[in-house]
Amino acid sequence: EAQVTQNPRYLITVTGKKLTVTCSQNMNHEYMSWYRQDPGLGLRQIYYSMNVEVTDKGDVPEGYKVSRKEKRNFPLILESPSPNQTSLYFCASRRTGRGREQYFGPGTRLTVT
Amino acid sequence: DQQVKQNSPSLSVQEGRISILNCDYTNSMFDYFLWYKKYPAEGPTFLISISSIKDKNEDGRFTVFLNKSAKHLSLHIVPSQPGDSAVYFCAAIFGNEKLTFGTGTRLTIIP
Repeated sequence: EAQVTQNPRYLITVTGKKLTVTCSQNMNHEYMSWYRQDPGLGLRQIYYSMNVEVTDKGDVPEGYKVSRKEKRNFPLILESPSPNQTSLYFCASRRTGRGREQYFGPGTRLTVT
Repeated sequence: DQQVKQNSPSLSVQEGRISILNCDYTNSMFDYFLWYKKYPAEGPTFLISISSIKDKNEDGRFTVFLNKSAKHLSLHIVPSQPGDSAVYFCAAIFGNEKLTFGTGTRLTIIP
């Protein structure tokens, strides 16, 4: 089954404790990205990657890091989480050619206290 | 600067009637538009899209209309069903750049 998976689905942590949210896709997509969803703000892109070893900032990259060492994986790293990073996070992937529909993971709800 | 706007945060429609969700954009470079549907506790799922060279695209009960001169697109759902109750996001893209999403409209279908 074609899918994007994220782990964990739910996470409660404390300020300053480094964490990683994993993302994996099995569709051989070149493009992967991370979004956060906040009330009244819709989906805002954090980082994206056009291919292996190619990453770039989205609209709200502050406080986040990413890496793309393999085509299928695109982890999101919060080196020192803060309460304003409490949000719902989505990983997504798509092809870079025709048909730019993006496929989303199920989401990770992060709470930073 | 919100380049894609959904000005109605919520919409309620009677079952069987038409639901019309609207979206406005400001960037004339956008060349592809998409609608996503999102249920609680799930990721958004792709619903329907339209290229800027077209003005209409249909898929079953869903039709998307694009008015480039007005920089406006709309999603029509006919007939509306209870399972259509969800948050709907419109999104726009140009070339291989990132998708830019609107803030979403919560659609409630009243049985």
